[in-house]
Amino acid sequence: DTGVSQDPRHKITKRGQNVTFRCDPISEHNRLYWYRQTLGQGPEFLTYFQNEAQLEKSRLLSDRFSAERPKGSFSTLEIQRTEQGDSAMYLCASSLLGQGPLRDTEAFFGQGTRLTVV
Amino acid sequence: GDSVTQMEGPVTLSEEAFLTINCTYTATGYPSLFWYVQYPGEGLQLLLKATKADDKGSNKGFEATYRKETTSFHLEKGSVQVSDSAVYFCALSRSNDYKLSFGAGTTVTVRA
Repeated sequence: DTGVSQDPRHKITKRGQNVTFRCDPISEHNRLYWYRQTLGQGPEFLTYFQNEAQLEKSRLLSDRFSAERPKGSFSTLEIQRTEQGDSAMYLCASSLLGQGPLRDTEAFFGQGTRLTVV
Repeated sequence: GDSVTQMEGPVTLSEEAFLTINCTYTATGYPSLFWYVQYPGEGLQLLLKATKADDKGSNKGFEATYRKETTSFHLEKGSVQVSDSAVYFCALSRSNDYKLSFGAGTTVTVRA
């Protein structure tokens, strides 16, 4: 396993267009997180999933944002009608909430998708 | 709400110098505390963590002690190397997951 992968790495889009990002977590991880990071700031939590269930959404996640994890494996984050303020790095992370003999793991982050809205 | 405040950078040091990055937090209850590092061109990596008061996290020569009385989790390393050049983030979580609140990050550059 090569870790958490995100696609695309970079996306430039015009204001008003829709964009979708994909995150492939580490295969056995049941938790998946999305964060947003703007220049000079730390990451801000957006939402997270346990298996396919979306357990929590931040107030930062406006109605234009939607995230899915349909089979409890990969996840997508869609932004509709993009605005210039959406320009940021979007980070995905995954972790294992241990069950039985399996122990909890730390969260592993992907390298992110950098979105630029022009 | 939860918040993390860390020392502003950038910080520039010579090799073998002592590094301290201050971090204080505001949170109810007893959060877990973390330091993450981001090396150039790479994703965030967990450097160390502490889950209760007076715990000391350590890794790669870095240490940080969870101080409940001062709500702090300062990162220290006694002798830095050029390879320690990175952005360091302090973070907390109030629950048994990785819904993290991060500080703004401190850029550290170590010169040979």
